[in-house]
Amino acid sequence: AQSVAQPEDQVNVAEGNPLTVKCTYSVSGNPYLFWYVQYPNRGLQFLLKYITGDNLVKGSYGFEAEFNKSQTSFHLKKPSALVSDSALYFCAVRANTGGFKTIFGAGTRLFVKA
Amino acid sequence: SAVISQKPSRDICQRGTSLTIQCQVDSQVTMMFWYRQQPGQSLTLIATANQGSEATYESGFVIDKFPISRPNLTFSTLTVSNMSPEDSSIYLCSVDSGGSSYNEQFFGPGTRLTVL
Repeated sequence: AQSVAQPEDQVNVAEGNPLTVKCTYSVSGNPYLFWYVQYPNRGLQFLLKYITGDNLVKGSYGFEAEFNKSQTSFHLKKPSALVSDSALYFCAVRANTGGFKTIFGAGTRLFVKA
Repeated sequence: SAVISQKPSRDICQRGTSLTIQCQVDSQVTMMFWYRQQPGQSLTLIATANQGSEATYESGFVIDKFPISRPNLTFSTLTVSNMSPEDSSIYLCSVDSGGSSYNEQFFGPGTRLTVL
């Protein structure tokens, strides 16, 4: 069965510092990996995805993520955090295992302090 | 990108009653997904709704409790039946981008349900 782990409930970072939100996954077959963001009282928004190709993928709002097959990880990164990045971040995986269901991680709350 | 609207945006209901949530997409899509999210927590897939066929429910969710309609390629409803306080949650409608299962999903703004 496929699964996603986000080991940190919360990440705190100062504005201007780099940020990393961690994600590891378990899936049989080729994974399709995604990051979504949820701002307070708003729906989920797509940030970026890895399907195939270059392991480093770039997405919206200056975010990027690196796919590491050997470590089964897909950590979200940003070189310089903004206060407005404070939100709830979800890692998700899709795989062709009896249907392309999306499995979401538990979520990581990012706090960026001014 | 798909634009998804949901009605109502929020509601407060009495236990034992039912609420029907509507989801409208601005383009035709094959599959629509219904999720439940406790505030600040992860999403749980309730069911997948294909037009013209019965919805496929995930473990722990049954049709009698969460009946779904999918009358056409742009619309779906989810009913939460015989509600209890445990059903208090945010209900989200979602579709695949470009109609592909390899792509990201678009989400509606959600329906915040409180059951008293």
